[in-house]
Parts: sequence; structure tokens; C-alpha cells
Amino acid sequence: GAGVSQSPSNKVTEKGKDVELRCDPISGHTALYWYRQSLGQGLEFLIYFQGNSAPDKSGLPSDRFSAERTGGSVSTLTIQRTQQEDSAVYLCASSLRGKPSGGGGTDTQYFGPGTRLTVL
Amino acid sequence: GQSLEQPSEVTAVEGAIVQINCTYQTSGFYGLSWYQQHDGGAPTFLSYNGLDGLEETGRFSSFLSRSDSYGYLLLQELQMKDSASYFCAVRDGVNTGFQKLVFGTGTRLLVSP
Repeated sequence: GAGVSQSPSNKVTEKGKDVELRCDPISGHTALYWYRQSLGQGLEFLIYFQGNSAPDKSGLPSDRFSAERTGGSVSTLTIQRTQQEDSAVYLCASSLRGKPSGGGGTDTQYFGPGTRLTVL
Repeated sequence: GQSLEQPSEVTAVEGAIVQINCTYQTSGFYGLSWYQQHDGGAPTFLSYNGLDGLEETGRFSSFLSRSDSYGYLLLQELQMKDSASYFCAVRDGVNTGFQKLVFGTGTRLLVSP
């Protein structure tokens, strides 16, 4: 597609419920990233996928968070047993490649519009 | 670990020039990026500095000094539409081998008429 898309744009859920957030990266981009942004804060790295390699999960805040990427394209971020502190905007980004290239070209990250998650 | 410091807010008037500073501490360094984010919108890439010096892209320029662990974003001929949050981000690929971005907390720029 023309850009990174995410769905839903907004999600309101009750504490303890599970939620799934979807990300559709730019076609042909091999690298995909999930970030979380709390109100007025910077972006917090969650997880990274590069091609068919094992994902880097070093940013996931707890074992309630998991993500998968099927077929090297669409990714789903799942939050189990949601808590109020999970409320944030979840942003997905993709880049043509994830390795340093010495420039700002092929590894520039393009962000989707985000999913605003509210846990009541 | 990594940390980046930016001013929380900067105000300026249309037509003016504003500089947003960013200092960083990282265990590894592969360059400094700048992103713009309007309220309710997604971050969009503005510029990248991998080497020392100034990079110019239209009204926006970005500077990096690796010896000082310091960079800045310079916005010239400010327009109302430049009101947004600006984030510096460090690429850290030492331990993981990939371009994980570590973001600062952002600088909110308010441009007034």
C-alpha cells in the first residue's frame, strides 16, 4: 500500500480483556517495529521483526505482550489481560531494511497512524 | 543504556528561526534522526545525521557533533503548520545489530502569528 496502516484506530476495552492490534507495513519493507507512546511522552520501543529472523522482543514490558508477523508482512500485537497502564497509542513502523546503511535512506522508518488503546 | 535530552517546549513567531537541541548518551551510536509529529498524527521522518556537520533540507537543517554527543534541528522561516512535537532519536545497533531507534521525550514547538 501507499503507507503503513493500522487497525483499529481506536480501541476501548475493559481491564482484564485481551486485545489485538494490527499493522500492515509498506509493501516490500522487510523490517517492522512496534512502539508505544503514552500521552505527552516519547516513543518506547517494543519489538522488531526483520524478514524471517527471530524477532527482537527486548522492549516488551511484560509477558502479557506478544507479537507475530505472518508471511513477512502483516503483524499483530496482542496484549493479554489488559491493565490501565497499558493505555497508550501503539505505533507501528516499517523500513526497507533494518540494518545500518550509513545513510538515511533504506532504513528510514515510516510510521502508521497508530492505535489509541484505552483500558477502563 | 541510552538517554536523550531535549527541551520540553519552545515558542516562536511566524518567520522566525528556532533551534531545538538534543544531547544524548548511548552505548553505541549510528546516527541521529529527527521526527516531526503533529497532534494526533504519526511521527514523520525529517532528517538524519550519520556524520558530523550540517544537513540541509529546505527550511529544515540538522547538525551533529559526535564528539559533543550533541545535535540540533534548525527550523527557518517558521510557519504556523510547523507547530508540532519534534523528537530526536538515536540509532543504536551495537548489541542487536539492527537500527533500533531510541527516542527523546520530544520538544513541543508552538508557532504564533
